[in-house]
Amino acid sequence: EPEVTQTPSHQVTQMGQEVILRCVPISNHLYFYWYRQILGQKVEFLVSFYNNEISEKSEIFDDQFSVERPDGSNFTLKIRSTKLEDSAMYFCASSTNTGEPLETQYFGPGTRLLVL
Amino acid sequence: KQEVTQIPAALSVPEGENLVLNCSFTDSAIYNLQWFRQDPGKGLTSLLLIQSSQREQTSGRLNASLDKSSGRSTLYIAASQPGDSATYLCAVQGGSEKLVFGKGTKLTVNP
Repeated sequence: EPEVTQTPSHQVTQMGQEVILRCVPISNHLYFYWYRQILGQKVEFLVSFYNNEISEKSEIFDDQFSVERPDGSNFTLKIRSTKLEDSAMYFCASSTNTGEPLETQYFGPGTRLLVL
Repeated sequence: KQEVTQIPAALSVPEGENLVLNCSFTDSAIYNLQWFRQDPGKGLTSLLLIQSSQREQTSGRLNASLDKSSGRSTLYIAASQPGDSATYLCAVQGGSEKLVFGKGTKLTVNP
């Protein structure tokens, strides 16, 4: 069964460093998402991406964050200068190949980011 | 702003028991509601999606209902098993692409 994959599974970085989290969405899906979950808190939406551009973003997704689909398979989240409060589990998700975003979102296993 | 609440926060039951998890949301203008399962330190596994026009969905021992007008959904698990132990998350999708999540109910099924 197709699934969303994410790398790395864990990342430890120093405050101020740049990190890139990688995701391979389900083949032929058209909508891509990043969410995060700070330990003990709710899963929060960060950004959605469709047709090679951001379609929606949350207040959390400020200028320190960026997303990219560098090729036909990968979808990346970059944090330019990490802060302690960026420590969280980051989930990638993808949905639908019909051009309709209001369908089941399939989540990857997550990347646990720890900023020291 | 949409808020999703899940009650109870934690639930412990003996194996074989039927149980109900509750989810409520403040804005009834939703397109769909999704139930997920999350195992410790793991990703989210989609269990059921209910479109706003539907009243319920079933998958195996799971049944999810939706009362959109009252802003409520329930997830019914029949004949619970220890392997059902996990955190169950409810998420709603309104007029945009994002999912708004509840904090989850941590379920423990004791052998």
